Amino acid sequence: DIQLTQSPSSLSASVGDRVTLTCRASQGISNYLAWYQYQQKPGTAPKLLIYDASTLQSGVPSRFSGSGSGTEFTLTISSLQPEDFATYYCQQFDGHPITFGQGTRLEIK
Amino acid sequence: EVQLVESGGGLVLPGESLRLSCAASGFTLNTYTVSWVRQAPGRGLEWVSGMSSSGGNTFYADSVRGRFTISRDNSKNTLYLQMSSLRAEDTAVYYCAKDRVKYRVSGDAFDIWGQGTMVTVSS
Repeated sequence: DIQLTQSPSSLSASVGDRVTLTCRASQGISNYLAWYQYQQKPGTAPKLLIYDASTLQSGVPSRFSGSGSGTEFTLTISSLQPEDFATYYCQQFDGHPITFGQGTRLEIK
Repeated sequence: EVQLVESGGGLVLPGESLRLSCAASGFTLNTYTVSWVRQAPGRGLEWVSGMSSSGGNTFYADSVRGRFTISRDNSKNTLYLQMSSLRAEDTAVYYCAKDRVKYRVSGDAFDIWGQGTMVTVSS
């Protein structure tokens, strides 16, 4: 199975900051990677932000961007907004089993 | 509007069975792969199982293979997850999630998720 390792596990930042989250795959997955935001409140579900490593999902603000291919991927938020403080997961879909990273918790400093 | 609604969660004893349902609207299950994804308390997301649009391909995580069975009823446009021999470690919120692209079998990003249903396995 393909393992995804996210770093850091948690991050404290302020509104307006630029932050970069990393996801590393245990083997090459081309660009078969997605990023999700998860508020982890009752009745909420993960929200797709980026697919195919760098394509912004419809309706997602342009301050979110993704890059990478093969084994190294990043999610960048250019200017943090209050609603961006959440947990972020990467997911690989280069065949089954589909796997997720362990998550990066983004907290308000 | 494309929507997924899960139901069927609850509290069960270890070793018991439970069937979850995922009712789809705004699209038909025979056009997209739909998966089950869970989140245990304090843990991350874990993909559990998926069924292809044709229904001819089913996929399972090693942690549930042989205990869980995915199926669907096209007439009801509903996906199911039959869970047997439940263990404490199966305790989680279970989501169903739809592939972004039609007819994809090998895996995809999930663009639509349900609200989740809680399964608690405890004595």
